[in-house]
Amino acid sequence: SSVLTQPPSVSVAPGQTARITCGGDHIGIRSVHWYQQKPGQAPVMVVYDDTDRPSGIPERFSGSESGNTATLTITRVEAGDEADYYCQVWDSSSDHLGVFGTGTKVTVL
Amino acid sequence: QVQLVESGGGAVQPGRSLRLSCAASGFTFRSHAIHWVRQAPGKGLDWVAVVSHDGSTQFYADSVRGRFTTSRDNSKNTVYLQMNSLRAEDTAMYYCARDHFTENYSGPFDPWGQGTVVSVSS
Repeated sequence: SSVLTQPPSVSVAPGQTARITCGGDHIGIRSVHWYQQKPGQAPVMVVYDDTDRPSGIPERFSGSESGNTATLTITRVEAGDEADYYCQVWDSSSDHLGVFGTGTKVTVL
Repeated sequence: QVQLVESGGGAVQPGRSLRLSCAASGFTFRSHAIHWVRQAPGKGLDWVAVVSHDGSTQFYADSVRGRFTTSRDNSKNTVYLQMNSLRAEDTAMYYCARDHFTENYSGPFDPWGQGTVVSVSS
């Protein structure tokens, strides 16, 4: 099954831009989704289908893709953005499986 | 509003069974697949299983296939996860999550319930 690799941590100053990458085979042919999880809370979807943003999610959150790497970009970072972020795809190449990335802890300095 | 509420978690010995429930409200339940995702203490997210909107199709992660079974009762707006032959490595917070799209089972997952804790230990 697929393996999705994320950097363990990203640190960013308030007001700056955070970029979280997600690398894996066939990323370019799969829809990538992103989730934010704050301590003690359930995950929340922040980007789906590579670039789409659900209602209620600030425009500061955006997704992109190039080759075998997907990227979640958070502009004008705020203290409230400090959380763990996970990418996710659906692997239908053999068995039908949900696959999550390894997760990235975003720390706001 | 859309809401998912898990229940049924608890402490259990290895080899025993447990059944989790996920009660849904605020949307057309019969139109959406429901996924189960777990998170071991201090670890990342781990997809477990999905049941299609009509209950006719289920898929499982390799780690639980043959031990876990998911099903649904659309008359009760509830999904179940029957967990048999539990192991210590099944210890986790278990979340249910709605598939974002109707009549689709490949995600994304939105929204999620608040989770129920399963602890497997002798």
